[in-house]
Amino acid sequence: SAVISQKPSRDICQRGTSLTIQCQVDSQVTMMFWYRQQPGQSLTLIATANQGSEATYESGFVIDKFPISRPNLTFSTLTVSNMSPEDSSIYLCSVEDGATNYGYTFGSGTRLTVV
Amino acid sequence: AQSVTQLGSHVSVSEGALVLLRCNYSSSVPPYLFWYVQYPNQGLQLLLKYTSAATLVKGINGFEAEFKKSETSFHLTKPSAHMSDAAEYFCAVKTGKLIFGQGTTLQVKP
Repeated sequence: SAVISQKPSRDICQRGTSLTIQCQVDSQVTMMFWYRQQPGQSLTLIATANQGSEATYESGFVIDKFPISRPNLTFSTLTVSNMSPEDSSIYLCSVEDGATNYGYTFGSGTRLTVV
Repeated sequence: AQSVTQLGSHVSVSEGALVLLRCNYSSSVPPYLFWYVQYPNQGLQLLLKYTSAATLVKGINGFEAEFKKSETSFHLTKPSAHMSDAAEYFCAVKTGKLIFGQGTTLQVKP
């Protein structure tokens, strides 16, 4: 199955700053997905990133707050902008893994704490 | 719209006992259904998936799940719990995108 490298694995950031999270896949994939997992909560889809087009955001998430880049078929970044303590979460990228027949593979996540 | 409901945010069983984690889905089209496990401070690992083949699906670590269309359910079971099964379990449904349930914390008591 696909292997996803996500970094940083964790970070502590000051409020008002921005953090860019990187996601690298070891194979070419059409769509990449970004999720947020707030403390003690389930995963919520932030957006879907297709190469060569703008990301599609879910209700409650906007591009100004979570800009996404998808420069090629193996890489994507998610930026958390103008951070506040409410942004403290785990952020995960994911791909639909053709090798596992519709299964999704997830990165190990970025644990973000905003102080 | 598709959705997933996991009944019971916290389940506690004794080691060796049956594990039953409940998941009900709502989907206007035949769904693909998944169970994921998340161990503390780790990412998500796919346990098993239903993709319209056999209704009884076997996964890793001795887990299995049965798709019941009439009950819109996809409950996860394991005959005998092990201490290492203690984790967070998520049911998810895919019809275009993957949507997760609220999660169930499984506690295994010695």
